[in-house]
Amino acid sequence: GAVVSQHPSRVICKSGTSVKIECRSLDFQATTMFWYRQFPKQSLMLMATSNEGSKATYEQGVEKDKFLINHASLTLSTLTVTSAHPEDSSFYICSARGAQGAKEQYFGPGTRLTVT
Amino acid sequence: AQTVTQSQPEMSVQEAETVTLSCTYDTSESDYYLFWYKQPPSRQMILVIRQEAYKQQNATENRFSVNFQKAAKSFSLKISDSQLGDAAMYFCAYKTSYDKVIFGPGTSLSVIP
Repeated sequence: GAVVSQHPSRVICKSGTSVKIECRSLDFQATTMFWYRQFPKQSLMLMATSNEGSKATYEQGVEKDKFLINHASLTLSTLTVTSAHPEDSSFYICSARGAQGAKEQYFGPGTRLTVT
Repeated sequence: AQTVTQSQPEMSVQEAETVTLSCTYDTSESDYYLFWYKQPPSRQMILVIRQEAYKQQNATENRFSVNFQKAAKSFSLKISDSQLGDAAMYFCAYKTSYDKVIFGPGTSLSVIP
């Protein structure tokens, strides 16, 4: 099956710093990648959709200047949390889809971000 | 806008027994996909089963099957012969025509040995 990796799996950063999370599709080309946020004991909330070579589309209420998404290649998307604050602490999950209209997305293992 | 509802925050089942998790959704689209995902303590999302709305036949994957009632907008998951490894959060999900996946709030399933 298709494999999606995320790096790092866990990261701790100080308040005010920026942190980058990578999402890679290992054995397929991902035309579209999605970024989700999951708070403890809650569901996944879609933050943004990124298409390779295009600007990301953010969901309502998600600050695009705070959560910078880049999808520069068909196998890599990055999420940068800028000027992180403790309330940004969460579990971030990416997923990737191949061709347009593909039936399902493949999920990465997630990244736990803790801002101190 | 599409919404997904799971009315059972927590469920439990005895090992080897059968359990059904409920899911309802709201949409005005006629063609879409529905999914059940499992999220174990590792938090890796695992696809359990997929149903295409245009197919009347209920999807089945080994011990997992769904009861898809399109008119009622209901999509329940039945787990037969429950195993300890089935303990996890289960999310019902809807894929829109724009390829967004909307998740329900989840059901935490416990398996009692």
